[in-house]
Amino acid sequence: GQQLNQSPQSMFIQEGEDVSMNCTSSSIFNTWLWYKQDPGEGPVLLIALYKAGELTSNGRLTAQFGITRKDSFLNISASIPSDVGIYFCAGRAEMGGGADGLTFGKGTHLIIQP
Amino acid sequence: EAGVAQSPRYKIIEKRQSVAFWCNPISGHATLYWYQQILGQGPKLLIQFQNNGVVDDSQLPKDRFSAERLKGVDSTLKIQPAKLEDSAVYLCASTLEGREGDEQFFGPGTRLTVL
Repeated sequence: GQQLNQSPQSMFIQEGEDVSMNCTSSSIFNTWLWYKQDPGEGPVLLIALYKAGELTSNGRLTAQFGITRKDSFLNISASIPSDVGIYFCAGRAEMGGGADGLTFGKGTHLIIQP
Repeated sequence: EAGVAQSPRYKIIEKRQSVAFWCNPISGHATLYWYQQILGQGPKLLIQFQNNGVVDDSQLPKDRFSAERLKGVDSTLKIQPAKLEDSAVYLCASTLEGREGDEQFFGPGTRLTVL
């Protein structure tokens, strides 16, 4: 099946620093999504990308859909303590028949030191 | 707007026992998904429903897992019999119609521990 390679696995940064993480795939996706998951909760959508080359911002978050449709990155600027959590990339491919379940990366665990 | 509801939040069973999880999607959402999230991994799709019909169950281990959404609203996922490797968080998600811009909302999950 499809797999997403997400890196880094974990990041230890100082408050106020910028953060960058990315995902790559061996196959093409039509949609790239970035989610954040806090302990004991389900993933929450941060940014959705629908077109190759698209660059989208949501507050301090910026994400891009790679031109090849096989990669995406997420940047967080000026990190704050509430940014702590696990960030997942997810891709959706054209499956046919209405099937549109997501394929997730393994996550990037962000830890912020005050 | 109420979110996706799941119950129970936690369940501990012994291997070879049976277990069932319940999900109530956001009101009016036609599409419902079950995902399995093993510790340290991202969620993995198990099954997708459109109303009360199955759209994709290609990754559901059908020898022990089953799911239903009889009236096209809430859904039940069952494991019978459970194995140690089934220990995971089981997430339910829903969308209105599953089109672009209409992304999945996730519930808080049910954490299953199989001893």
